[in-house]
Amino acid sequence: EDQVTQSPEALRLQEGESSSLNCSYTVSGLRGLFWYRQDPGKGPEFLFTLYSAGEEKEKERLKATLTKKESFLHITAPKPEDSATYLCAVQAGDDKIIFGKGTRLHILP
Amino acid sequence: KAGVTQTPRYLIKTRGQQVTLSCSPISGHRSVSWYQQTPGQGLQFLFEYFSETQRNKGNFPGRFSGRQFSNSRSEMNVSTLELGDSALYLCASSSLPGTGSTGELFFGEGSRLTVL
Repeated sequence: EDQVTQSPEALRLQEGESSSLNCSYTVSGLRGLFWYRQDPGKGPEFLFTLYSAGEEKEKERLKATLTKKESFLHITAPKPEDSATYLCAVQAGDDKIIFGKGTRLHILP
Repeated sequence: KAGVTQTPRYLIKTRGQQVTLSCSPISGHRSVSWYQQTPGQGLQFLFEYFSETQRNKGNFPGRFSGRQFSNSRSEMNVSTLELGDSALYLCASSSLPGTGSTGELFFGEGSRLTVL
C-alpha cells in the first residue's frame, strides 16, 4: 500500500536553530514528491517538486532533498515566519497524490 | 490572477443532512481535485476531475460524490452526513491532469464543515 510518513509530528526550534524534517515513503512508481507549507486557516502552498533520487531544490532558507526511500526538508537559520505545518506528498503511478500528516514547526523568537 | 475560490467557507449541518460545496478553479485550469483534511488522518484524496470527467477517486464511500461543469467549476456533495464527516474540505486546481508538468497544485482556503 502506498504510504507517506512524516516525522517528527511537531518541532519547536529557537530562531536561527537549523534542523531537518523527514518524509519517508513507500509507493509504486513514484512520479514525483512534493513539499507544501500550510498556515492555520489556509490551504497548502506549494514549495517544491522532486522527481528523482539525488535531486535537490532550494528556496530561501529551505532546501529539499530526495533519496529512493525518503526526503528531507532542511531549514537553515529559521525565522518566526517559517512557523507552519509542512506537508509532504507523493504522486504514485496511478496518478493519485498521497499526503503525509505533516510536521508542525514552531520557531521561537 | 484570482486564486481558487471555495464556498461556503464555513457551514454547520446535522447528521443525516446533505451538503454541497463549490469550487471555482484558477482561470484556465481544467483539473480540480478535492481533499478532506482532519487532525487525525491529515489530507486525504477524494477525487479529481478534468474536463468534466472523473479521472481518479480515493477510498471514500459512495456518499461522497462530485461533478465538474463545462466552465471547470466543480461541486462535491456529501449525503447522509455523519459526525465523522466534520472536516476541512479543500479544493485544488492545476492546468493539466494530476499535478501537471510542475507538480504544483493550487489550493483554496477550504470549506469547514461541522456535523452535529
